[in-house]
Amino acid sequence: GESVGLHLPTLSVQEGDNSIINCAYSNSASDYFIWYKQESGKGPQFIIDIRSNMDKRQGQRVTVLLNKTVKHLSLQIAATQPGDSAVYFCAANSGGSNYKLTFGKGTLLTVNP
Amino acid sequence: ETGVTQSPTHLIKTRGQQVTLRCSSQSGHNTVSWYQQALGQGPQFIFQYYREEENGRGNFPPRFSGLQFPNYSSELNVNALELDDSALYLCASSLKRGAGEETQYFGPGTRLLVL
Repeated sequence: GESVGLHLPTLSVQEGDNSIINCAYSNSASDYFIWYKQESGKGPQFIIDIRSNMDKRQGQRVTVLLNKTVKHLSLQIAATQPGDSAVYFCAANSGGSNYKLTFGKGTLLTVNP
Repeated sequence: ETGVTQSPTHLIKTRGQQVTLRCSSQSGHNTVSWYQQALGQGPQFIFQYYREEENGRGNFPPRFSGLQFPNYSSELNVNALELDDSALYLCASSLKRGAGEETQYFGPGTRLLVL
């Protein structure tokens, strides 16, 4: 079956360090991937996305890397700030015309001042 | 803010009752997807509505149903509530432009508690 998983359920970093959150997916038909940030009591907030025809995409302080060979993607956050503390989810579509997103369980990022 | 709104924010129901949750999509978006998020879990896809019709469904029983209106807002209805239906219900809106990807933007969710 299709699954999207995260390697680590929690990640604790010092303010100013870089953070790396990893994600594995199983559906080889997935061709679109999104990272979301969810703060307590709020809905998921879009961070960055990547299409399967790319292997890297950069945003403001964030970079997503996609390795289709091993079905793995990662989110890198530069100069992590206390405001980055949240649960981070990766999501993958099902490919084709089905736009269902499959989410992993999430990684709790804690930034220590 | 995404411009996606949901109501109510919180709701308490008893087992066997029915509930209707509402979502207003972001301006310019034509598609609404609904997700259920249990505590400590990632969101689970319930279904998607596009042009007022269901456009894909996850592994949820028929007592989960929905509607989309001409203004693209949407409702999620759940009949015969069970204790396990207690969760955060998320609505996400997007613009479907044809084959390819669509970025889904989430609302704040409705927290449902079934007693």
